[in-house]
Amino acid sequence: DSGVTQTPKHLITATGQRVTLRCSPRSGDLSVYWYQQSLDQGLQFLIQYYNGEERAKGNILERFSAQQFPDLHSELNLSSLELGDSALYFCASSAAHDRHAYGYTFGSGTRLTVV
Amino acid sequence: AQKVTQAQTEISVVEKEDVTLDCVYETRDTTYYLFWYKQPPSGELVFLIRRNSFDEQNEISGRYSWNFQKSTSSFNFTITASQVVDSAVYFCALSEPYSGGGADGLTFGKGTHLIIQP
Repeated sequence: DSGVTQTPKHLITATGQRVTLRCSPRSGDLSVYWYQQSLDQGLQFLIQYYNGEERAKGNILERFSAQQFPDLHSELNLSSLELGDSALYFCASSAAHDRHAYGYTFGSGTRLTVV
Repeated sequence: AQKVTQAQTEISVVEKEDVTLDCVYETRDTTYYLFWYKQPPSGELVFLIRRNSFDEQNEISGRYSWNFQKSTSSFNFTITASQVVDSAVYFCALSEPYSGGGADGLTFGKGTHLIIQP
């Protein structure tokens, strides 16, 4: 157990729908990152939050949004889902703003299937 | 912009053979970090090693070793006496803490699927 908890583990939904993925970071970690792993794009960084504030954006679509709550858990909202959004979504957390030095701990991921 | 290339899409070896996974990176920064992660069939990402750009010492951890060479922008990973349990997809990744531009997070290579046959 990495200490980063993602729910649900699996999600199947239809095109056009909206889903919310949840992540609880490791105890004490202030930063949360979201990544998408798809067959064609590989592992891509989506967005980072630090202590409730958006810190950085990567290749995140406008249909996707995220937030980090006061208890530091984070949610990734995916809307107007398309077949191509089917992927494994990972959350990672790190101990400090300087995550490059301290590294990242990944959760086990949420597998989203859009049908 | 940063880039990580893992040219080997798939490698298959017989158990007990040594195997090296290649990783070549591109960055304009002088300060950066390199990582290797393992993704077993169960899907989770398992951290293996982190190396900063100022530390070129090679590292050995049991059957695993890493060769970092800034001159060739490579950070290769060798498994000695491979075992079936080493079968997984291995990712090399790069982060640049001071690159600015807003984008942050790890840049991953496409991964190398390692198959260890009994």
